[in-house]
Amino acid sequence: GQQLNQSPQSMFIQEGEDVSMNCTSSSIFNTWLWYKQDPGEGPVLLIALYKAGELTSNGRLTAQFGITRKDSFLNISASIPSDVGIYFCAGQISSNTGKLIFGQGTTLQVKP
Amino acid sequence: DAGVTQSPTHLIKTRGQQVTLRCSPKSGHDTVSWYQQALGQGPQFIFQYYEEEERQRGNFPDRFSGHQFPNYSSELNVNALLLGDSALYLCASSLGRQWGEDSDNQPQHFGDGTRLSIL
Repeated sequence: GQQLNQSPQSMFIQEGEDVSMNCTSSSIFNTWLWYKQDPGEGPVLLIALYKAGELTSNGRLTAQFGITRKDSFLNISASIPSDVGIYFCAGQISSNTGKLIFGQGTTLQVKP
Repeated sequence: DAGVTQSPTHLIKTRGQQVTLRCSPKSGHDTVSWYQQALGQGPQFIFQYYEEEERQRGNFPDRFSGHQFPNYSSELNVNALLLGDSALYLCASSLGRQWGEDSDNQPQHFGDGTRLSIL
């Protein structure tokens, strides 16, 4: 079945540093989404991408939909302590599905 | 503007029992999807409901069933509970559309989930 490979699995960085994480798939996706999940809460949508090559920003977050439609990355600039959490990529194979396929998550820890 | 709400927040059951979880979608949304999230994993798609019908199903056994009501709220039922059913169950809502329409894609928004523990 379809799988998303998300990396790195975890990151421990200093406050103020930039962060980059990515997801790759063996299948083509027509939608890429990035979510953040804090302990005891559900995933919160950060950025949604719908077109190959699309680059979208949300404050200090920037995400891109890969040209091959098989990958996406998320960058966080000038990290702050509240960026701590688990980041998930998720994709949809086509517009004829409601199913989101999730990556395994990237756990981010920020040292003040 | 209320987001996606789920109840209960926590639940403890024993093997063989049955459980019902509830979800109210975000205001203006009419489509509800359910996901199972095991500890340390990403969410896994169970099924999606649109116009009170199951529109798509993931790789889960028939013990997992659901329902959507006319007010768009939804229930997830799990019968004959197994230890492996222990997980966080997430509900996500979105604005439905006819499949095949590429414009104005509507992303799914999640509730905080129900933590189900099986003893």
